[in-house]
Amino acid sequence: SQTIHQWPATLVQPVGSPLSLECTVEGTSNPNLYWYRQAAGRGLQLLFYSVGIGQISSEVPQNLSASRPQDRQFILSSKKLLLSDSGFYLCAWSAGTGREQYFGPGTRLTVT
Amino acid sequence: GDSVTQMEGPVTLSEEAFLTINCTYTATGYPSLFWYVQYPGEGLQLLLKATKADDKGSNKGFEATYRKETTSFHLEKGSVQVSDSAVYFCALSDGSGGYQKVTFGTGTKLQVIP
Repeated sequence: SQTIHQWPATLVQPVGSPLSLECTVEGTSNPNLYWYRQAAGRGLQLLFYSVGIGQISSEVPQNLSASRPQDRQFILSSKKLLLSDSGFYLCAWSAGTGREQYFGPGTRLTVT
Repeated sequence: GDSVTQMEGPVTLSEEAFLTINCTYTATGYPSLFWYVQYPGEGLQLLLKATKADDKGSNKGFEATYRKETTSFHLEKGSVQVSDSAVYFCALSDGSGGYQKVTFGTGTKLQVIP
């Protein structure tokens, strides 16, 4: 069966510091991968998606970036965090032909 | 573009009450429809899905029927439990854009009291 992991689970970072969040998927090959952000009490905002290694599409221009160095690894990064980057970050995957997405446990980021 | 509209929350019910969370959608083509559930501090879990008109998705006592004529996918449960307290998201995917983009509603928080 497929599983998706995210780490860290929680993170507190000062404004201006760098960020690296990691997501890995097991039990499937060539998944589509997604990064979402969920602000407190709000819905989901799609940040990035990837259909293959090295292929990244951005949905919202901002100070975040994403990379996919391996087939089942997806990384969310920032060089300098802003207060507005605080939120709950969710990674998800979908099969190439499937329409539903499956989510990881999330990372709670607080920028102070 | 695609959109999903859910009823505003929070919804507060007593245990064993009947639940309905309304969801309507706008989409081009023939979307698949989903309900996701998010428990506090966790990621989203796929609760049920329907892929074509008149399909009924069901799981853990929850049901939703794909109504093309009313563009709706309302979530129902006959008898809610305290453990059902969570945020519920309606979503659709029409498979457009070269990848399986999913459009989510804003979520409806359900609180079940003993």
